[in-house]
Amino acid sequence: GEDVEQSLFLSVREGDSSVINCTYTDSSSTYLYWYKQEPGAGLQLLTYIFSNMDMKQDQRLTVLLNKKDKHLSLRIADTQTGDSAIYFCAEDNAGNNRKLIWGLGTSLAVNP
Amino acid sequence: ETGVTQTPRHLVMGMTNKKSLKCEQHLGHNAMYWYKQSAKKPLELMFVYNFKEQTENNSVPSRFSPECPNSSHLFLHLHTLQPEDSALYLCASNRASGGPDTQYFGPGTRLTVL
Repeated sequence: GEDVEQSLFLSVREGDSSVINCTYTDSSSTYLYWYKQEPGAGLQLLTYIFSNMDMKQDQRLTVLLNKKDKHLSLRIADTQTGDSAIYFCAEDNAGNNRKLIWGLGTSLAVNP
Repeated sequence: ETGVTQTPRHLVMGMTNKKSLKCEQHLGHNAMYWYKQSAKKPLELMFVYNFKEQTENNSVPSRFSPECPNSSHLFLHLHTLQPEDSALYLCASNRASGGPDTQYFGPGTRLTVL
């Protein structure tokens, strides 16, 4: 079945790079997404990547997609305390009425 | 501020109560969604409305009853809930199209069922 997996926790020091990883099972995904959820808030779209791309960069964010291994990563450069949040990976299964399939989220803690 | 508002932000109710959650989007989107977010579980899609028509009911118990009077408003009517229904209920909207499914979320209603 469809499944998206992420490690649950990541802790980094302020100023370091953070890399959040995600694996998915459905090779027919059209788009893959990263959402961020801050405490007490809803989810906010950070970025997405089309499945025929292998990299997308947007300011401090770099998304890498390895379609062969079904592996997606989000790199945050120069991580700040304001980046502390839960980061969700999601895949867009075009064959399943375009429902988003979500991971459990990775809780990123940024230490001063 | 994402352009999607939800009220109330917090709700405590007994199992015999009837209450409603409200969502409003100011983005001109045509699709609206209800999700349930529980600890240690992936985000669960409950209902989808596209141009006011329900297009998805993800095997949700009948004690949850959605209503979408127009493309900007979405309600979730609750009655005789169970303690396991306690969760964060998130509303989202997007412009359903062939492109990326970029959904805009409200802040959620934290529901506690006693």
